[in-house]
Amino acid sequence: DIQMTQSPSSLSASVGDRVTITCRASQSISSYLNWYQQKPGEAPNLLIYAASSLQTGVPSRFSGSGSGTDFTLTISSLQPEDFATYYCQQSYNTPLIFTFGPGTKVDIK
Amino acid sequence: QVTLKESGPVLVKPTETLTLTCTVSGFSLSNARMSVSWIRQPPGKALEWLAHIFSNDEKSYSTSLKSRLTISKDTSKSQVVLTMTNMDPVDTATYYCARIWRYDFWSGHYSYYYYMDVWGKGTTVTVSS
Repeated sequence: DIQMTQSPSSLSASVGDRVTITCRASQSISSYLNWYQQKPGEAPNLLIYAASSLQTGVPSRFSGSGSGTDFTLTISSLQPEDFATYYCQQSYNTPLIFTFGPGTKVDIK
Repeated sequence: QVTLKESGPVLVKPTETLTLTCTVSGFSLSNARMSVSWIRQPPGKALEWLAHIFSNDEKSYSTSLKSRLTISKDTSKSQVVLTMTNMDPVDTATYYCARIWRYDFWSGHYSYYYYMDVWGKGTTVTVSS
């Protein structure tokens, strides 16, 4: 099975900071990579699909990049509502098997 | 408006079988571009994908839990059911169902991207005697 790792596992940042989260797959997954945001007590929310496509309604300060094994989620200017945990997820396999990364918690510095 | 709602027992005993139902509205389980997955999240831990069912009834399961899981759907009732056998306290978690959207990308051939675009609020299941 494809394994997903994320770094860092947590980070502290201030409002207005540029934040970068990295996700790595154990083998090439082309662009079959999605990003989700989860706030405490809530269900996850889709941010980015197909590595770099912004989901409708998601602010443009969120962006995704990468292909193959290495991917990045960037928040260009961190806002108070962005403090949350972020998960990457691959959807490469056939038959379809999803795998989530372990998550990156973004909290207030 | 697309919604998904999970339902099932709050408390199950060790060794029992858990049955969860996801009732969807705003889309049809017969639509080829939409399908449903189950995901769980133990308290304070990461998300874990469990199972998936397509409109054509094709199914896939987590490799590590495959022997304990069964997913099925009733299109007429707009419901997807997940059963998990031999429950253990480590299975204590919030269980979510989510709609999977299939994005078709053409670049000389079709590539199919799948992602979870709408989630239910989740249902918390505790396994304890």
